[in-house]
Amino acid sequence: EPEVTQTPSHQVTQMGQEVILRCVPISNHLYFYWYRQILGQKVEFLVSFYNNEISEKSEIFDDQFSVERPDGSNFTLKIRSTKLEDSAMYFCASSEQGMGETQYFGPGTRLLVL
Amino acid sequence: GENVEQHPSTLSVQEGDSAVIKCTYSDSASNYFPWYKQELGKRPQLIIDIRSNVGEKKDQRIAVTLNKTAKHFSLHITETQPEDSAVYFCAAHSGNTPLVFGKGTRLSVIA
Repeated sequence: EPEVTQTPSHQVTQMGQEVILRCVPISNHLYFYWYRQILGQKVEFLVSFYNNEISEKSEIFDDQFSVERPDGSNFTLKIRSTKLEDSAMYFCASSEQGMGETQYFGPGTRLLVL
Repeated sequence: GENVEQHPSTLSVQEGDSAVIKCTYSDSASNYFPWYKQELGKRPQLIIDIRSNVGEKKDQRIAVTLNKTAKHFSLHITETQPEDSAVYFCAAHSGNTPLVFGKGTRLSVIA
């Protein structure tokens, strides 16, 4: 069964540094998402992406964040200048259709900002 | 915007007993309600979902019920097993708005 994959599984960075988290959505899916989960808390929506542009974003997704689909398979989340409070698990997800359809999650990238 | 409340935050049951987790939502336009299971350190995995045009859906030991009037939906797990131990998240979706998740329920099944 196809799965969403993410790299790296863990990332440690210094405050103020840029990080890029990578995702490969399921190949026939058209909608892509990034979520964040701070340790012990609920999953929070960051952004959705369709047809090479952002379709929705949350208040968390401020100017420090950006997303890109640089080629036909990868979907990336960039944090320009990391803050301590960006430490969290970041999940990528994809769905065949829109947000009201089943979303399949990747294994996550655990980001630690020191 | 949508707000999803989930109860209880923790639940312990004896193996073989049933577990029920309840969620309420605020947006009456919400029409899609998935449940995700998340084992420690792993990805959320969809276990069952329901749409607003049905009141109940069942898949083996797992069932979900939806009460649109009261704006709540529940996850029922029967004959619980130790491998059911995990954090369970409900979520709600309306139109083109993002999925909004509840805070999760940590289920422990005691052998």
